[in-house]
Amino acid sequence: DGGITQSPKYLFRKEGQNVTLSCEQNLNHDAMYWYRQDPGQGLRLIYYSQIVNDFQKGDIAEGYSVSREKKESFPLTVTSAQKNPTAFYLCASSFPGDQPQHFGDGTRLSIL
Amino acid sequence: QKEVEQNSGPLSVPEGAIASLNCTYSDRGSQSFFWYRQYSGKSPELIMFIYSNGDKEDGRFTAQLNKASQYVSLLIRDSQPSDSATYLCAVPDYNQGGKLIFGQGTELSVKP
Repeated sequence: DGGITQSPKYLFRKEGQNVTLSCEQNLNHDAMYWYRQDPGQGLRLIYYSQIVNDFQKGDIAEGYSVSREKKESFPLTVTSAQKNPTAFYLCASSFPGDQPQHFGDGTRLSIL
Repeated sequence: QKEVEQNSGPLSVPEGAIASLNCTYSDRGSQSFFWYRQYSGKSPELIMFIYSNGDKEDGRFTAQLNKASQYVSLLIRDSQPSDSATYLCAVPDYNQGGKLIFGQGTELSVKP
């Protein structure tokens, strides 16, 4: 079955630690996105990538980094510079143009 | 700043009734509109998309678009308790790689 796989489902970060969230898709989508959702709030864009080896900052990129070395994969690293990382992280992908985005199941990140 | 506005609810309807969810958007140039359903603790799931003025029906769901009024709505007929969720209206921003601008979501509760 085609879909978007995010792992791990739950992640705990210690102070000063970088952690990496995985996102893999087998839908042959060109565009991939990372959103953050805080309790009771809307989704905010962290980074996006429209093609391999290229990505752009979204609205809240500070403290995060990404890479896009393969079409299928768009990992997100939450660095120690992100002082409030506790949130629900959602990866999405889509074809270009007026096509809807599809979401993975998400990763919940908490601070130990 | 492009915006999408939704009534946060909660909207409560009895089982079997029609639930009406509304959304307005600020960018008159918007061309595509998406409705997502998000159960508590889960990721958003695409349930409808609409590009043209008028109605689009899919099973118990009908999306209605009025570009002149910058208004899009979602009707759920024969509402079921399993429809209880938060419904998110989203519009792509093509100045930022097609990122989705989400409304705050409307919480729907269907009472048996």
